[in-house]
Amino acid sequence: NAGVTQTPKFQVLKTGQSMTLQCAQDMNHNSMYWYRQDPGMGLRLIYYSASEGTTDKGEVPNGYNVSRLNKREFSLRLESAAPSQTSVYFCASGAYDGTTNEKLFFGSGTQLSVL
Amino acid sequence: LAKTTQPISMDSYEGQEVNITCSHNNIATNDYITWYQQFPSQGPRFIIQGYKTKVTNEVASLFIPADRKSSTLSLPRVSLSDTAVYYCLVGDYGGSQGNLIFGKGTKLSVKP
Repeated sequence: NAGVTQTPKFQVLKTGQSMTLQCAQDMNHNSMYWYRQDPGMGLRLIYYSASEGTTDKGEVPNGYNVSRLNKREFSLRLESAAPSQTSVYFCASGAYDGTTNEKLFFGSGTQLSVL
Repeated sequence: LAKTTQPISMDSYEGQEVNITCSHNNIATNDYITWYQQFPSQGPRFIIQGYKTKVTNEVASLFIPADRKSSTLSLPRVSLSDTAVYYCLVGDYGGSQGNLIFGKGTKLSVKP
Protein backbone atom coordinates (compact mmCIF):
# COMPACT_ATOMS: atom_id res chain seq x y z
CA ASN A 1 0.00 0.00 0.00
CA ALA A 2 1.85 3.09 -1.28
CA GLY A 3 -0.40 5.77 0.26
CA VAL A 4 0.26 9.14 -1.39
CA THR A 5 2.87 9.21 -4.13
CA GLN A 6 4.37 12.42 -5.48
CA THR A 7 6.58 12.86 -8.51
CA PRO A 8 9.16 14.19 -9.06
CA LYS A 9 11.00 14.39 -5.75
CA PHE A 10 13.33 17.15 -6.92
CA GLN A 11 13.08 19.66 -9.75
CA VAL A 12 15.04 22.69 -10.87
CA LEU A 13 13.38 25.15 -13.23
CA LYS A 14 14.37 28.37 -14.88
CA THR A 15 12.16 31.40 -14.48
CA GLY A 16 9.30 31.24 -16.96
CA GLN A 17 9.37 27.48 -17.46
CA SER A 18 6.31 25.39 -16.79
CA MET A 19 5.89 22.06 -15.12
CA THR A 20 3.33 19.77 -13.53
CA LEU A 21 3.66 18.09 -10.17
CA GLN A 22 1.92 14.75 -10.02
CA CYS A 23 0.15 13.21 -7.06
CA ALA A 24 -1.68 9.92 -6.73
CA GLN A 25 -3.31 8.19 -3.77
CA ASP A 26 -4.46 4.61 -3.47
CA MET A 27 -6.59 4.92 -0.33
CA ASN A 28 -9.86 5.75 -2.10
CA HIS A 29 -10.06 9.14 -0.40
CA ASN A 30 -12.46 11.73 -1.75
CA SER A 31 -10.50 14.87 -0.93
CA MET A 32 -7.00 15.87 -1.99
CA TYR A 33 -4.82 18.86 -1.23
CA TRP A 34 -1.72 20.72 -2.36
CA TYR A 35 0.38 22.59 0.20
CA ARG A 36 3.62 24.46 -0.05
CA GLN A 37 6.13 24.80 2.76
CA ASP A 38 8.72 27.54 2.96
CA PRO A 39 11.39 27.66 5.66
CA GLY A 40 9.90 28.84 8.94
CA MET A 41 6.45 29.33 7.40
CA GLY A 42 4.64 26.10 8.18
CA LEU A 43 2.38 24.70 5.45
CA ARG A 44 0.13 26.88 3.30
CA LEU A 45 -2.78 25.52 1.33
CA ILE A 46 -2.62 26.17 -2.42
CA TYR A 47 -5.63 24.30 -3.80
CA TYR A 48 -7.85 21.47 -2.71
CA SER A 49 -10.36 19.13 -4.22
CA ALA A 50 -13.23 18.00 -2.03
CA SER A 51 -14.26 15.31 -4.49
CA GLU A 52 -13.63 14.13 -8.02
CA GLY A 53 -14.60 16.87 -10.44
CA THR A 54 -14.29 19.79 -8.01
CA THR A 55 -11.40 22.08 -7.11
CA ASP A 56 -11.17 25.19 -4.95
CA LYS A 57 -8.60 27.80 -4.07
CA GLY A 58 -6.77 27.77 -0.78
CA GLU A 59 -4.68 30.46 0.89
CA VAL A 60 -2.07 30.97 -1.84
CA PRO A 61 -3.45 29.95 -5.27
CA ASN A 62 -1.87 32.64 -7.44
CA GLY A 63 0.50 31.26 -10.06
CA TYR A 64 -0.89 27.72 -9.86
CA ASN A 65 -3.52 25.59 -11.52
CA VAL A 66 -4.78 22.16 -10.57
CA SER A 67 -6.53 19.25 -12.18
CA ARG A 68 -8.39 16.48 -10.42
CA LEU A 69 -7.92 13.93 -13.15
CA ASN A 70 -9.87 11.20 -11.39
CA LYS A 71 -10.42 10.07 -7.82
CA ARG A 72 -6.80 8.94 -7.48
CA GLU A 73 -4.89 11.77 -9.10
CA PHE A 74 -4.53 15.48 -8.38
CA SER A 75 -1.92 17.47 -10.28
CA LEU A 76 -0.48 20.93 -9.67
CA ARG A 77 0.75 23.03 -12.58
CA LEU A 78 3.05 26.00 -12.62
CA GLU A 79 2.46 27.78 -15.94
CA SER A 80 5.32 30.27 -15.67
CA ALA A 81 7.57 29.52 -12.75
CA ALA A 82 8.92 32.36 -10.62
CA PRO A 83 11.68 32.34 -7.97
CA SER A 84 9.00 33.03 -5.33
CA GLN A 85 7.64 29.55 -6.07
CA THR A 86 10.81 27.91 -4.80
CA SER A 87 9.47 25.70 -2.04
CA VAL A 88 8.70 22.19 -0.92
CA TYR A 89 5.34 21.01 -2.23
CA PHE A 90 3.26 18.43 -0.40
CA CYS A 91 0.24 16.59 -1.67
CA ALA A 92 -2.21 15.07 0.77
CA SER A 93 -5.42 13.08 0.71
CA GLY A 94 -8.10 13.19 3.35
CA ALA A 95 -9.89 10.38 5.16
CA TYR A 96 -13.29 11.37 6.52
CA ASP A 97 -15.40 8.78 8.33
CA GLY A 98 -18.49 10.95 8.53
CA THR A 99 -18.28 11.61 12.25
CA THR A 100 -14.96 13.27 13.06
CA ASN A 101 -12.71 15.71 11.25
CA GLU A 102 -10.64 14.71 8.28
CA LYS A 103 -7.30 13.02 8.80
CA LEU A 104 -4.71 13.93 6.21
CA PHE A 105 -2.16 11.59 4.71
CA PHE A 106 0.81 13.29 3.10
CA GLY A 107 3.22 12.40 0.37
CA SER A 108 6.98 12.76 0.77
CA GLY A 109 7.13 16.11 -1.00
CA THR A 110 8.65 17.70 -4.09
CA GLN A 111 11.54 20.09 -3.59
CA LEU A 112 11.30 22.72 -6.33
CA SER A 113 13.91 25.36 -7.07
CA VAL A 114 13.24 28.14 -9.55
CA LEU A 115 16.33 29.99 -10.70
CA LEU B 1 -11.89 29.68 10.62
CA ALA B 2 -10.59 29.01 14.09
CA LYS B 3 -7.08 30.39 14.47
CA THR B 4 -4.58 28.50 16.58
CA THR B 5 -1.65 29.75 18.62
CA GLN B 6 1.22 27.52 19.70
CA PRO B 7 4.67 28.13 21.17
CA ILE B 8 7.28 28.46 18.44
CA SER B 9 9.70 26.07 20.12
CA MET B 10 10.21 23.85 23.15
CA ASP B 11 13.18 21.96 24.55
CA SER B 12 13.10 18.74 26.53
CA TYR B 13 15.30 15.86 27.61
CA GLU B 14 14.94 12.20 26.91
CA GLY B 15 12.56 10.42 29.24
CA GLN B 16 10.59 13.52 30.18
CA GLU B 17 6.91 14.11 29.52
CA VAL B 18 6.28 16.96 27.10
CA ASN B 19 3.09 19.01 26.99
CA ILE B 20 2.44 21.32 24.05
CA THR B 21 -0.50 23.66 24.44
CA CYS B 22 -2.52 25.13 21.60
CA SER B 23 -4.91 28.06 22.00
CA HIS B 24 -8.03 28.26 19.82
CA ASN B 25 -10.27 30.85 21.44
CA ASN B 26 -12.82 31.04 18.61
CA ILE B 27 -13.31 27.32 18.13
CA ALA B 28 -16.75 26.52 16.74
CA THR B 29 -19.20 23.96 18.06
CA ASN B 30 -18.57 21.51 15.25
CA ASP B 31 -14.78 21.86 15.22
CA TYR B 32 -12.44 19.00 16.03
CA ILE B 33 -8.84 19.41 17.17
CA THR B 34 -6.16 17.50 15.30
CA TRP B 35 -2.41 17.27 15.84
CA TYR B 36 0.24 16.40 13.27
CA GLN B 37 3.94 15.64 13.57
CA GLN B 38 6.50 16.53 10.92
CA PHE B 39 10.08 15.29 10.72
CA PRO B 40 12.62 17.11 8.52
CA SER B 41 12.25 16.36 4.82
CA GLN B 42 8.98 14.48 5.36
CA GLY B 43 5.30 15.30 5.10
CA PRO B 44 3.28 15.76 8.30
CA ARG B 45 1.89 12.66 9.96
CA PHE B 46 -1.42 12.44 11.84
CA ILE B 47 -0.94 11.91 15.58
CA ILE B 48 -4.24 12.34 17.37
CA GLN B 49 -7.66 13.97 17.11
CA GLY B 50 -10.33 14.83 19.63
CA TYR B 51 -13.45 16.84 20.34
CA LYS B 52 -13.59 17.10 24.13
CA THR B 53 -12.14 15.70 27.37
CA LYS B 54 -9.29 13.27 26.83
CA VAL B 55 -8.19 11.08 23.99
CA THR B 56 -5.31 8.63 24.19
CA ASN B 57 -3.64 6.43 21.63
CA GLU B 58 -0.37 4.54 21.43
CA VAL B 59 1.58 7.69 20.59
CA ALA B 60 0.12 10.55 22.65
CA SER B 61 -2.71 11.93 24.74
CA LEU B 62 -4.84 14.93 23.96
CA PHE B 63 -6.44 16.92 26.76
CA ILE B 64 -9.30 19.29 25.96
CA PRO B 65 -10.92 21.34 28.75
CA ALA B 66 -14.65 21.87 28.94
CA ASP B 67 -14.57 25.31 27.25
CA ARG B 68 -12.48 23.84 24.38
CA LYS B 69 -10.58 27.09 23.96
CA SER B 70 -7.29 25.28 24.25
CA SER B 71 -5.87 21.80 23.99
CA THR B 72 -2.73 20.08 25.19
CA LEU B 73 -0.79 17.41 23.37
CA SER B 74 1.06 15.20 25.84
CA LEU B 75 3.99 13.04 24.75
CA PRO B 76 5.04 10.60 27.47
CA ARG B 77 8.72 9.84 27.98
CA VAL B 78 10.07 11.47 24.85
CA SER B 79 13.09 10.17 23.01
CA LEU B 80 15.47 11.79 20.53
CA SER B 81 13.26 10.49 17.72
CA ASP B 82 10.41 12.72 18.92
CA THR B 83 12.36 15.79 17.78
CA ALA B 84 9.99 17.27 15.20
CA VAL B 85 7.55 20.07 14.49
CA TYR B 86 4.07 19.59 15.94
CA TYR B 87 1.03 21.28 14.38
CA CYS B 88 -2.34 21.92 15.98
CA LEU B 89 -5.31 22.25 13.60
CA VAL B 90 -8.93 23.07 14.25
CA GLY B 91 -11.70 22.34 11.76
CA ASP B 92 -15.31 21.30 11.49
CA TYR B 93 -16.40 17.71 11.30
CA GLY B 94 -18.22 18.01 8.02
CA GLY B 95 -15.11 17.29 6.03
CA SER B 96 -12.83 20.25 6.51
CA GLN B 97 -11.73 20.60 2.90
CA GLY B 98 -10.37 24.11 2.61
CA ASN B 99 -10.19 25.00 6.28
CA LEU B 100 -7.37 22.67 7.22
CA ILE B 101 -4.94 25.50 7.90
CA PHE B 102 -1.50 24.73 9.31
CA GLY B 103 0.23 27.39 11.36
CA LYS B 104 3.97 27.47 11.98
CA GLY B 105 3.78 24.71 14.56
CA THR B 106 5.93 24.02 17.61
CA LYS B 107 9.47 22.83 17.06
CA LEU B 108 10.28 20.32 19.76
CA SER B 109 13.94 19.57 20.41
CA VAL B 110 14.72 16.54 22.57
CA LYS B 111 18.19 16.42 24.03
CA PRO B 112 20.07 13.43 25.45
